[in-house]
Amino acid sequence: AQSVAQPEDQVNVAEGNPLTVKCTYSVSGNPYLFWYVQYPNRGLQFLLKYITGDNLVKGSYGFEAEFNKSQTSFHLKKPSALVSDSALYFCAVRDNDTGFQKLVFGTGTRLLVSP
Amino acid sequence: DTGVSQDPRHKITKRGQNVTFRCDPISEHNRLYWYRQTLGQGPEFLTYFQNEAQLEKSRLLSNRFSAERPKGSFSTLEIQRTEQGDSAMYLCAVRRGDQPQHFGDGTRLSIL
Repeated sequence: AQSVAQPEDQVNVAEGNPLTVKCTYSVSGNPYLFWYVQYPNRGLQFLLKYITGDNLVKGSYGFEAEFNKSQTSFHLKKPSALVSDSALYFCAVRDNDTGFQKLVFGTGTRLLVSP
Repeated sequence: DTGVSQDPRHKITKRGQNVTFRCDPISEHNRLYWYRQTLGQGPEFLTYFQNEAQLEKSRLLSNRFSAERPKGSFSTLEIQRTEQGDSAMYLCAVRRGDQPQHFGDGTRLSIL
């Protein structure tokens, strides 16, 4: 079975500073990894995905993620945080067992960017 | 614009009542998913449709839950005899080909 873990419930960072939101994964087979962001009372917005290829994946709104196979990690990063980045961030892995590509999500990390 | 419209956005009902939610993809997406998100948790998979066929159901989907996608376009999720534990955000997502899943803004269900 596939799973992801987000070890931090909350990450605090000052505006302009770099941010990292952590995610580790456990999969059978090749990992297909995703990051989504959720604003209050909204659905999830896709940020980026890793399927194969370069370990550094670039996504929307200046976010990027680094895939590390040896550490089974897929951390989300941004060089310079904005107050508007404050939201709930979810890491997800695609379930490879059934072929229907459902997603298995972590518990989420709340990012708070202070002015 | 997420490409997925969900209705209603909020539903408040008394325990024991039946509720139905609707998901409308704006354009053609043959793959449609329902997820449930409880407070403080990530979304959990409920069920999957490919066109009108319901191909996978989670164990979370008790016999009080039923989902349909009669013409392979919009989908409905019905909960019968609602319970307190059904309070959650119900999210619909669609996917085309190898594209990632795109989510609607969800229906928040509150059981009194």
